[in-house]
Amino acid sequence: KAGVTQTPRYLIKTRGQQVTLSCSPISGHRSVSWYQQTPGQGLQFLFEYFSETQRNKGNFPGRFSGRQFSNSRSEMNVSTLELGDSALYLCASSQGTGRDTEAFFGQGTRLTVV
Amino acid sequence: DAKTTQPNSMESNEEEPVHLPCNHSTISGTDYIHWYRQLPSQGPEYVIHGLTSNVNNRMASLAIAEDRKSSTLILHRATLRDAAVYYCILRHTGTASKLTFGTGTRLQVTL
Repeated sequence: KAGVTQTPRYLIKTRGQQVTLSCSPISGHRSVSWYQQTPGQGLQFLFEYFSETQRNKGNFPGRFSGRQFSNSRSEMNVSTLELGDSALYLCASSQGTGRDTEAFFGQGTRLTVV
Repeated sequence: DAKTTQPNSMESNEEEPVHLPCNHSTISGTDYIHWYRQLPSQGPEYVIHGLTSNVNNRMASLAIAEDRKSSTLILHRATLRDAAVYYCILRHTGTASKLTFGTGTRLQVTL
C-alpha cells in the first residue's frame, strides 16, 4: 500500500512570500499531523487534523495554518515567510488518534527561505 | 507533559545487540511508550510501542521496567542500516495525536 506522500519535496521561496505544502495520507487514515524539523529546535509538532477538524495545535505563530479535505488529504500554509521558517516539514498519518496508534511519516518537504 | 531522557549518542558494532535506554520517571499510568527512529534524510519511522508488558516485533524488542519509570529498546543484531536517531516518546490521553520528540539517541553502528 502506498505510503504518505508529500509534495513538493524541495522548495525555495523568498522572504515575505507564502507557501502551501501538500500531504496525501495512507488510504484509510483519517488523522494527519504536521511537524517542523530544524537543526536548532529538532522535531516540533505544528498541528493535527482528524476528519477535517483541527484537534491539536503546537506553539507556532498564526502564520502557520492548515486544513484537511474530505478525502483526508491535508495542506499546510505558511504566510509572510521568514528566514527562520527554513526547515524540513514532515507530515504523518494515522488510522486514529489513540495512544496506541502508529504514525507513518512522509519523506518531508525541504523549504528554504532566502 | 511527562518528559523522557535519553543518552545523546551510543555506538555499537555490527551484528551485536544494542540496548537503548530511556528514562521517563514522571510517566502517568495511562501513557503509552513509543519508539521511533529517523534514518538520515528520511522522515521518522515507527519502531515499537508498549504500555506495561515487554513487547516484541520484527524490528526490535521493548523492555519496560516494572515501575514503568524507564524502558529499553533492544535491537537484537545491529546492522549498518540501523544507524539512526532513536526517539523515546510518551503518548498521553487527550494529546495522543501529538508526538513530542526529544533530542533522541544517535546510534552509530560500525563494522
